[in-house]
Order: sequence, then structure tokens, then C-alpha cells
Amino acid sequence: EDKVVQSPLSLVVHEGDTVTLNCSYEVTNFRSLLWYKQEKKAPTFLFMLTSSGIEKKSGRLSSILDKKELFSILNITATQTGDSAVYLCAVFSGYALNFGKGTSLLVTP
Amino acid sequence: EAQVTQNPRYLITVTGKKLTVTCSQNMNHEYMSWYRQDPGLGLRQIYYSMNVEVTDKGDVPEGYKVSRKEKRNFPLILESPSPNQTSLYFCASSLTQGVGNSPLHFGNGTRLTVT
Repeated sequence: EDKVVQSPLSLVVHEGDTVTLNCSYEVTNFRSLLWYKQEKKAPTFLFMLTSSGIEKKSGRLSSILDKKELFSILNITATQTGDSAVYLCAVFSGYALNFGKGTSLLVTP
Repeated sequence: EAQVTQNPRYLITVTGKKLTVTCSQNMNHEYMSWYRQDPGLGLRQIYYSMNVEVTDKGDVPEGYKVSRKEKRNFPLILESPSPNQTSLYFCASSLTQGVGNSPLHFGNGTRLTVT
């Protein structure tokens, strides 16, 4: 059975801190790994990773995939209160996108 | 504007009364999918469709039906809703049939309550 596990489940940090969110997976027929941000509405796409070792970056957010060790991390530097959200990791295997349960991040002023 | 549109946004119904949640995308996407999201369980896939007239079960298909008669539409049908189908539902679509090569875009969700 395909599994996507995120850690930690929740996290509270102060503005300006750097956070690292983890996603490990066990799936057959891996195609890609995706990160989404979900506030009180639909998930919005952040990154898609298909190749090992190549960092994707967008502003203060970055992500990298390790296909050998079967995990990915999402880094957020200089966090802001607007970064408060649930961050979802998902893995495409075959024709299905399997989601982890998410990491709930709260950034306090 | 490129988007995935779901309707209704909120729905309260009674056990056993058939309902349909519509989903439409204007991006000419081949792949479409339905998810439900429940506290502590995350997003779970109900059904997906690779293209017109091609649908397949996801992880939690029991109690649901779908159809894909046109590329843009992918309705979710609950023939006889039950309280355990109370959930937040998302429709999503992706550009290519070679899924994994393009991200899923989500609709705004439908919050369904079955009493």
C-alpha cells in the first residue's frame, strides 16, 4: 500500500524563524512529488519535484527531493504570519496522487 | 481565467436523497479527480479520470459514482448519501494524461453535510 508520511504534524514558530517540513514516502511507480499550501480553502500548488538532488526555489520557500532515501523537505526561511497554513505533501504513483496528512504551521508575531 | 469550478460550495441534505456535485474545468485538462478531506485523515482520492469515458477508482470509492462524458466536466454522484459522507470535497484537474508531469489544480471545495 502506498504511503506518504509527513512530520511534524504541527509546528508553532516565531516570525523570522526558519522551518523544515519533512515528507517520506513508500510508493510503487513513483512519478513525482508535490508540495501544496492549504489555508482555509483549496490547496494551492507550490512545487513539483521529479529529479533527485535538484532544489526548487520560490522566494523564501525551497524544496529538495532525495529519491534514494525516499524523502523530501520543504524549507521556509524568515517565516511570516502569512505562512501559517497546512502544508501538504503528495506523491504521484501510477495514476493516483496520494497525500500525506499535512503539517500545520502556525507563525506567531 | 483558468480555473476548476465546483458547485455547490455548501450543501446540507438528508440521508438517502440523491445528489450531484458538479465540477468543470476550462483548461482543456485530460486528468480529473475527486478527493474528500476529513480531519485526521487528510485528502483521500475517491475517483479519477484519465480522459473522456475513462474513469477509475481511487482509495475510497464506496458510495460514489462519477462520469466523464465531456472533457471539461466530471460530476460526483452520491446515489444514497449517508452521514459518513459528510466531508469537504475537492475536484482537481491536471494537464496531461501522463500524470506526474504536471500539478493538480484544485477547485474551491464543496462542504457536504448529510443528516
